[in-house]
Amino acid sequence: QVQLVQSGAEVKKPGASVKVSCKASGYTFTVYFMHWVRQAPGQGLEWMGRINPNSGGTNYAQKFQGRVTMTRDTSISTAYMELSRLRSDDTAIYYCARENRSAANDYWGQGTLVTVSS
Amino acid sequence: DIQMTQSPSSLSTSVGDRVTITCRASQSISSYLNWYQQKPGQAPKLLIYAASSLQSGVPSRFSGSGSGTDFTLTISSLQPEDFATYYCQQTYSTTITFGQGTRLEIK
Repeated sequence: QVQLVQSGAEVKKPGASVKVSCKASGYTFTVYFMHWVRQAPGQGLEWMGRINPNSGGTNYAQKFQGRVTMTRDTSISTAYMELSRLRSDDTAIYYCARENRSAANDYWGQGTLVTVSS
Repeated sequence: DIQMTQSPSSLSTSVGDRVTITCRASQSISSYLNWYQQKPGQAPKLLIYAASSLQSGVPSRFSGSGSGTDFTLTISSLQPEDFATYYCQQTYSTTITFGQGTRLEIK
């Protein structure tokens, strides 16, 4: 069965960086794009970008351009999302989500809470 | 970016009610519209993809329709487990966007 397992919660200071991992299992990792979506406390879903695990190619939301880097390690079927120059309003749950062949996110990780606080 | 506007933002409903949530795109997105359900403390769950296709394992009381700019999610007979927040998502453009969400509350 398809599973996406994310790394644990993080607490960071403003200005620092955070790197969240998403380990995929139950399918061929390189076949399906991986997206990253975040959700601030009590707020809606915000798309951050996606990576093609086969080529490493990325598309980022303009809001995060210059601050976000999505990478992958195909040898361990893991995608990563690194966000730099953290601010307090980056406090959120960060999700990875697989894109299916119909351009929908059919499997999601459990979420990683990132708290940015001085 | 394509803006997605859902209505209503919240809805007080009762078990057994028929519920319709609408989602409007700021430009045509063909049928590149998906619907998700999210319960507190959980990740979103895909319900409907490509505007009207039911995701495997999702009850048939959920249905989706529309194309172009106007879309609807319908729950034919609301069940207790359906009280949650629902989001639409467009995947037509390179930059993906979500609606702001519709929260279903128990009346």
